[in-house]
Amino acid sequence: GAGVSQTPSNKVTEKGKYVELRCDPISGHTALYWYRQSLGQGPEFLIYFQGTGAADDSGLPNDRFFAVRPEGSVSTLKIQRTERGDSAVYLCASSLTGTGGQSGYTFGSGTRLTVV
Amino acid sequence: KNEVEQSPQNLTAQEGEFITINCSYSVGISALHWLQQHPGGGIVSLFMLSSGKKKHGRLIATINIQEKHSSLHITASHPRDSAVYICAGRSNFGNEKLTFGTGTRLTIIP
Repeated sequence: GAGVSQTPSNKVTEKGKYVELRCDPISGHTALYWYRQSLGQGPEFLIYFQGTGAADDSGLPNDRFFAVRPEGSVSTLKIQRTERGDSAVYLCASSLTGTGGQSGYTFGSGTRLTVV
Repeated sequence: KNEVEQSPQNLTAQEGEFITINCSYSVGISALHWLQQHPGGGIVSLFMLSSGKKKHGRLIATINIQEKHSSLHITASHPRDSAVYICAGRSNFGNEKLTFGTGTRLTIIP
């Protein structure tokens, strides 16, 4: 696609439920990132994929959070047993790969998750 | 202390004024990004800098690597420039992840 697509754009769920957030990156972008932005804060890193593998998942807050990218394109962020503190905008970004590369990021519009 | 800090946190100015937003960072970076975020909207990448200066329209971004400081300038500001501006340092390790500042909320009054 022309840009990074995230679905759904908004998700309201009850505490304790399971949610999946989807990111469809720009075609050919091998690097994919998930960030989380709480109200009034800057985005915080969650996880980075290089191709199909999670190259860095050090930002995932706990084991309720998991992300996959099975074919190296679309990624799904999965949150189990959601808590009210998980409410945030979840941002996805993609870029061309390359350590030390000069490619820019392209961000999606985000998924606003509200846990009630 | 945050690894990437911005100032001011909030800025209100009259249309036409020259705007400066500052960013200081304490981490090693390979590049610095300036991003724009409108209310309810996604993030748009404005600039990626590793040295010197870049200009796009009324926007100018500069970076001083030795001082670990970057500035974003807007000339002839317009109400449509109202947004949150975020600087982010790009890791110089392999993951190239971004460490974000908390943003500067800019409001331009007509």
